[in-house]
Amino acid sequence: GAGVSQSPSNKVTEKGKDVELRCDPISGHTALYWYRQSLGQGLEFLIYFQGNSAPDKSGLPSDRFSAERTGGSVSTLTIQRTQQEDSAVYLCASSLSGQGGWTEAFFGQGTRLTVV
Amino acid sequence: AQSVTQPDIHITVSEGASLELRCNYSYGATPYLFWYVQSPGQGLQLLLKYFSGDTLVQGIKGFEAEFKRSQSSFNLRKPSVHWSDAAEYFCAVVPTGTASKLTFGTGTRLQVTL
Repeated sequence: GAGVSQSPSNKVTEKGKDVELRCDPISGHTALYWYRQSLGQGLEFLIYFQGNSAPDKSGLPSDRFSAERTGGSVSTLTIQRTQQEDSAVYLCASSLSGQGGWTEAFFGQGTRLTVV
Repeated sequence: AQSVTQPDIHITVSEGASLELRCNYSYGATPYLFWYVQSPGQGLQLLLKYFSGDTLVQGIKGFEAEFKRSQSSFNLRKPSVHWSDAAEYFCAVVPTGTASKLTFGTGTRLQVTL
């Protein structure tokens, strides 16, 4: 597609359930990021994938959070045993980053997660 | 430590007044620099970017930014603010050289009074 696509756009889940959020980056982009944005707050970095390198997981808030990127393309962010404090908008971004060239990060529209 | 700082959390300006939002970075070499805007309830939109060359960069919506190496700054400016410019503004940097992580500042919330 032409842009970064995230699904679902909205997700309501019960406390304690697991959720999966999907990100389809722009084709050919080597870098992929996940951020979290709580209401009225800034961007909280979660995880960064760059090519075939080991991901930078330094922003994951707890071991309930994990992410993978398959085939250097699609990424899934998984939150296990969701808590109410996980409610936020989860943003995905991709960019071309490295020897193949550089671009700005392009953002998806986000997934709004509500834990009830 | 490498970082990007937006010193102003919240700025209020009158419509028609000029605007300057500050961004400072701390990196060993000049990074790539970006400004993004997020209007209420909207996604993040790129305003402008600096990779190299002319240090005064023109962006969309009448915004510009000036890279000052000596001050490690990339401040965003607009000569005359419109009420529709009320939004959250984020400065972001990527270290040059090998592929590196995009890092955002904490953001500046702009309020425009009529």
